[in-house]
Amino acid sequence: NSKVIQTPRYLVKGQGQKAKMRCIPEKGHPVVFWYQQNKNNEFKFLINFQNQEVLQQIDMTEKRFSAECPSNSPCSLEIQSSEAGDSALYLCASSGNQDTQYFGPGTRLLVL
Amino acid sequence: GEQVEQLPSILRVQEGSSASINCTYENSASNYFPWYKQEPGENPKLIIDIRSNMERKQTQGLIVLLDKKAKRFSLHITDTQPGDSAMYFCAAINMGYKLTFGTGTSLLVDP
Repeated sequence: NSKVIQTPRYLVKGQGQKAKMRCIPEKGHPVVFWYQQNKNNEFKFLINFQNQEVLQQIDMTEKRFSAECPSNSPCSLEIQSSEAGDSALYLCASSGNQDTQYFGPGTRLLVL
Repeated sequence: GEQVEQLPSILRVQEGSSASINCTYENSASNYFPWYKQEPGENPKLIIDIRSNMERKQTQGLIVLLDKKAKRFSLHITDTQPGDSAMYFCAAINMGYKLTFGTGTSLLVDP
């Protein structure tokens, strides 16, 4: 099914620590998405990229979340100062045609 | 934006029977409707999708129906098996590429 690679699979951080996760999209897929799935199974779209450019993003007014998709490097999502409420499954998806999205295995973040 | 409602939240059926999950959406511009299956501890896996130029699509025991007038789409699993037990999520995309997900249906198939 999906050939999206996400690392690490599990991440444990203390409150206030940085948390960084990476995603390698499926080869040939120019569009990358980040979603957060909380413990209630609710999905929240965070940001998407086409190649290196941001297409859409939520209003990250907290400014704690940042993401990038540099050329020839994995995409990344970073939380600058983790909070307990950030504990969730972070899912990266890639798409070759801007609608059909295939998810990677996810990074499960636990903030203690 | 978009909002997607999904029902039921829990569905329990006997092996061999069919299961149906229904979703409604708000934005008439939505044009792509995927369904994902998610098993415990796993990522969501795309199982079937339908675009707005179709009313019905079928693959490997799965049927999706789309009623654009009613802004409703549904997943029908025929001849359910215990391996079909999982969370199922519907989703919709309008012009903005990002998926808006339903709240999920926990399907349990009793052997």
